[in-house]
Amino acid sequence: RKEVEQDPGPFNVPEGATVAFNCTYSNSASQSFFWYRQDCRKEPKLLMSVYSSGNEDGRFTAQLNRASQYISLLIRDSKLSDSATYLCVVNPGSSASKIIFGSGTRLSIRP
Amino acid sequence: DTGVSQDPRHKITKRGQNVTFRCDPISEHNRLYWYRQTLGQGPEFLTYFQNEAQLEKSRLLSDRFSAERPKGSFSTLEIQRTEQGDSAMYLCASSRDLAGGYEQYFGPGTRLTVT
Repeated sequence: RKEVEQDPGPFNVPEGATVAFNCTYSNSASQSFFWYRQDCRKEPKLLMSVYSSGNEDGRFTAQLNRASQYISLLIRDSKLSDSATYLCVVNPGSSASKIIFGSGTRLSIRP
Repeated sequence: DTGVSQDPRHKITKRGQNVTFRCDPISEHNRLYWYRQTLGQGPEFLTYFQNEAQLEKSRLLSDRFSAERPKGSFSTLEIQRTEQGDSAMYLCASSRDLAGGYEQYFGPGTRLTVT
């Protein structure tokens, strides 16, 4: 089993729709969680950290469920510019700095 | 631009040749990381530095790979005797120290093609 698993997609949704991704992680001792966004042939960019209490940044909401070992990302009122690959990232806790990336979920927003 | 920079952006080399990549982190970041990413996969951790000390290396980092950060600022990643399987995007990232959190910021990457 992979340490971090994501549905690869692609998710193809119309502009304005709400879309949600889940990501599961295998190490229950994992301490930190993030969502990164990666555009085609570009570097990953930090989208948001995921806190235990959940957090929201504009149209984006991230949730953490430690009991079920998953994190989620919700995008409301999706824009064409949201088309990208969304990478789930977990710090497994065994190292202060090592982080594990999922393979990413591709999102395509259509007009 | 005060972000992470990498040089070169693209490198094409013949199998068996040595290549070296450079990364300049965000100036106030103590930690520097190297990752490798292949098509359809997320970045895979290779190694990281706290200032000039290399504190962790992945099993992915074979003996042909070596990384340095001699003055705690920029870093180099060298691949000796390149193989076709080394073709990938090599990403560098930096972050503040532990007290500042784990958020890592990536450079644009060096795309290596081994022919």
